[in-house]
Amino acid sequence: AQSVAQPEDQVNVAEGNPLTVKCTYSVSGNPYLFWYVQYPNRGLQFLLKYITGDNLVKGSYGFEAEFNKSQTSFHLKKPSALVSDSALYFCAVSDQTGANNLFFGTGTRLTVIP
Amino acid sequence: EPEVTQTPSHQVTQMGQEVILRCVPISNHLYFYWYRQILGQKVEFLVSFYNNEISEKSEIFDDQFSVERPDGSNFTLKIRSTKLEDSAMYFCASRPPGAGSPLHFGNGTRLTVT
Repeated sequence: AQSVAQPEDQVNVAEGNPLTVKCTYSVSGNPYLFWYVQYPNRGLQFLLKYITGDNLVKGSYGFEAEFNKSQTSFHLKKPSALVSDSALYFCAVSDQTGANNLFFGTGTRLTVIP
Repeated sequence: EPEVTQTPSHQVTQMGQEVILRCVPISNHLYFYWYRQILGQKVEFLVSFYNNEISEKSEIFDDQFSVERPDGSNFTLKIRSTKLEDSAMYFCASRPPGAGSPLHFGNGTRLTVT
């Protein structure tokens, strides 16, 4: 079975500083990994994904994530945080069925302090 | 940009009543999903649907739940006899064909069972 873990419920970072939101995964076979963001009272918005290829993937709003196979991690990063980045961030892994069902971590609330 | 739309945005029902949550997926998408999120916490997979039948379902998706694609555009989730613990945000999602393509989520229906 596949799963992801987000070890931090809450991450606080000062505006302009780099941010990292951590994610580790467990899956048999090659993983499909995703990051989504959720703003209050909204659905989940796709940020980026890793399927294959380059370990560093770039996504929306200046976010990027690094796939590390040996550490089974897929941490989300941004060089310079904005107050508007404050939201709930979910890491997800896809199963290997045809439907590619997504299974989410517990989420990390990011607060960027002005 | 096309969106997944969900109606209603908020549904209040009494315990034991039937509810139908409605979704219009993005038109060229072939895979459809329902997820739920309780109190802004973990996003839980309920069911996936492809080619007019259920692909996968979770343990949460018991006999009280059913899904239907009654026409070419709508995708519905029915809960036959609601329980207090069914209170949650319910998210519909769809994705186009292609392994690893991301899910696109609607803004959700907040279901409150009293």
